Amino acid sequence: EDQVTQSPEALRLQEGESSSLNCSYTVSGLRGLFWYRQDPGKGPEFLFTLYSAGEEKEKERLKATLTKKESFLHITAPKPEDSATYLCAVQKIYGNKLVFGAGTILRVKS
Amino acid sequence: DTEVTQTPKHLVMGMTNKKSLKCEQHMGHRAMYWYKQKAKKPPELMFVYSYEKLSINESVPSRFSPECPNSSLLNLHLHALQPEDSALYLCASSQDAGEYTGELFFGEGSRLTVL
Repeated sequence: EDQVTQSPEALRLQEGESSSLNCSYTVSGLRGLFWYRQDPGKGPEFLFTLYSAGEEKEKERLKATLTKKESFLHITAPKPEDSATYLCAVQKIYGNKLVFGAGTILRVKS
Repeated sequence: DTEVTQTPKHLVMGMTNKKSLKCEQHMGHRAMYWYKQKAKKPPELMFVYSYEKLSINESVPSRFSPECPNSSLLNLHLHALQPEDSALYLCASSQDAGEYTGELFFGEGSRLTVL
């Protein structure tokens, strides 16, 4: 059965304290892995798409990487405005629906 | 600012009411989606429209009725809902049509409370 597991469930960081979020997946035939950011009471905001192992994408303080079993979202020198829930989702080959992980709630304190 | 607009932002309805949620996008996207999200849970897919035709229905109860009047508009008609249907309803769109894609643009959602 297709599964996406995110860890940790919640993460508290001090401003400037770098860390990583993990998304591990078991899927037969991965088309792509996607990262989203969601602020409370709002819709998710698309961040990155990763298609193949070894691929990396960067945006401001965020960097996403992909292996054959997991993806990491690295946050460098986070700021309070990076506080949000980060969701990862996988899509199988042949256009199946997205399977979302439960998310990691990130809180960055100043 | 999101380019997918949802109205209303908040809706309170009784179990016998009929109401509708509306969604509009002007990005020229050809696929539109309805998701349901409960508190502290990930979004759950309900419906997918591709080129204005319903292409995926995730076994959603008939009290939820989607409609796609044109390529920019998506409605979700609600009737005889249950309190457990209370949730954030998210509309999304994507550029690709005819094939599901994972790069979705979400609206801010409609917060529905069923009394």
